[in-house]
Parts: sequence; C-alpha cells; structure tokens
Amino acid sequence: DVKVTQSSRYLVKRTGEKVFLECVQDMDHENMFWYRQDPGLGLRLIYFSYDVKMKEKGDIPEGYSVSREKKERFSLILESASTNQTSMYLCASTVAGQGAWTPLHFGNGTRLTVT
Amino acid sequence: DQQVKQNSPSLSVQEGRISILNCDYTNSMFDYFLWYKKYPAEGPTFLISISSIKDKNEDGRFTVFLNKSAKHLSLHIVPSQPGDSAVYFCAARGLNAGNMLTFGGGTRLMVKP
Repeated sequence: DVKVTQSSRYLVKRTGEKVFLECVQDMDHENMFWYRQDPGLGLRLIYFSYDVKMKEKGDIPEGYSVSREKKERFSLILESASTNQTSMYLCASTVAGQGAWTPLHFGNGTRLTVT
Repeated sequence: DQQVKQNSPSLSVQEGRISILNCDYTNSMFDYFLWYKKYPAEGPTFLISISSIKDKNEDGRFTVFLNKSAKHLSLHIVPSQPGDSAVYFCAARGLNAGNMLTFGGGTRLMVKP
C-alpha cells in the first residue's frame, strides 16, 4: 500500500517565519504535488515535481517555493509566512505517465496556522 | 475562475436512500473526471473515475455519470450508508496534463441513520 507521510499534523507559526512542510512517499513515485485546501475552494495546486530537482508552478505558487533533492521527499517552503497562508496543506504522489490516469495518493495533511 | 464547480456545499440524506452529488465544469479539454472522498483529519482517497469517452462508470454502490454536452457529471451512491458521510471532491484532468488535477470546492455529505 502506498504511504505518503507528512511530518507534521499541526503547525502554529508566527507571521514572517520561514516554514518548512515535509512530505515523504515510499513507492518510488516520480510525480509529487503540494495542494492547499480551503473551505469552498477545494484543493488548489501550489507546486508539483515530475522528478528529482524538477519543479513546476501550479495555480497558486505565490509566497511558496519547493525543494526536491531526493525522489522520495518533496518539501514546501513558506519563505515568510503570512496569515493568508493559514490552511490545510496536502501532499500527493503518483507514478509518471501521460496516458491513462493513475490515482493521486494523498498524505493526511498538515494544518498550518499563521498568527 | 473555477473550472470545476460543485454548487452544493452540503447534502443530507437518509440512510438507505440515494445520494446524488453534482459537478459542473467549463473546460472542454478535460479528458478524465474523478471523485475523491475525504474524512476529517485524513487525506482524500480516490473513489471512482470516468473517461471523457464514456457516459457511465459503475463500481459497487457508486456510479458516475458524465454528460459532456452539458459539461456536467454526477456521483450516485445507492444505498447510502452512514459511513459515506464525508466531503466529496470532483476533479478533472486536462488533456496532456499528466496527472495534474483541477478540483471542485467539495460537497459535504451527511447520511443520517
């Protein structure tokens, strides 16, 4: 069974702090994603990565950066946290492929509160 | 502008009855549609999908219907069970978008015993 692990369930940070959200998957998946979930807005894609050291912006990358130094790990970085980044952050992974769709496997999420 | 919309934020259904969750989309280039289910404090889990070349896909109690002319899909759960109470997200994949998905806002389903 695929396991996507997000290192923290809950985080409380202050405005202006640098924040790291970590995600590790154990299935050798090429593709990894960071989404944020907000009420009424569903899941919105922040960044994704097709392979090690590769990254692409999603729909809402402003205020975020990512790092993928190893295949199994995908980190989301908030360079200077702001209150509008208070949200549920979800990491996902899947195998590569442009053909038939393969399911995204999600972690349990990190609820970040910025005060 | 949201390309995938779920206009009902919540739905309440009696156990044993049918639950119908609706989703509308605007992008005619979407080629796969799917539904995810999310319990509190857990990540979303994949439920069922449908290719744009089909109009129906069934898996046990779950059936997804696709109406391409109306740009509308729906998820039917029959019979509904209390364990189905969760938030349901509709999502879509653009042609040649790999595994990138666009999600709707979600519908909270409550199944009453």
